[in-house]
Amino acid sequence: GAVVSQHPSRVICKSGTSVKIECRSLDFQATTMFWYRQFPKQSLMLMATSNEGSKATYEQGVEKDKFLINHASLTLSTLTVTSAHPEDSSFYICSAGVQGVRNQPQHFGDGTRLSIL
Amino acid sequence: GIQVEQSPPDLILQEGANSTLRCNFSDSVNNLQWFHQNPWGQLINLFYIPSGTKQNGRLSATTVATERYSLLYISSSQTTDSGVYFCAVYGNQFYFGTGTSLTVIP
Repeated sequence: GAVVSQHPSRVICKSGTSVKIECRSLDFQATTMFWYRQFPKQSLMLMATSNEGSKATYEQGVEKDKFLINHASLTLSTLTVTSAHPEDSSFYICSAGVQGVRNQPQHFGDGTRLSIL
Repeated sequence: GIQVEQSPPDLILQEGANSTLRCNFSDSVNNLQWFHQNPWGQLINLFYIPSGTKQNGRLSATTVATERYSLLYISSSQTTDSGVYFCAVYGNQFYFGTGTSLTVIP
């Protein structure tokens, strides 16, 4: 089946550090990937839609200069949390679908738990 | 956007009991999935079920798209079923439900 790999699984770093999270579709191509954020005991909230070869689409309230998304190939999207602060600590997870979204299930990475000290 | 409400928000079951989780959504959707999020945060895809009924072992799901709801049935629950269950729908983007936190006690 379709596999999405997300790396790293856990990051602990100091305030002010920039952190890059990778999301890879291992056995399929994904022109679109999605990034979500989840706070403790809450649901997942869509942050942005990553489009291969073009700019990402950000949801309302998500700072595009804080959360940089790059989707340079059909199998890789990256999310960079720039100058991270403690309030950026959260669980970040990506997803991708085979051949678009509408008629195919989304496959999720295992998530990245980010802790900013 | 599409509102996705799940009920109940919390559920405690004795091992071996059956349960039904409900997902209501506010608009027509093209895609609906049920997930189990384990204690490590991993989302396990249970069903891709935009309409109809599917079964996988002790789990089954039914989506009635015209009435905008989906049900997840868990039979003979086990302690390993504990965790949070989410439904998620796709309209023009992916929306996650509010979740049901299930605890199965031995």
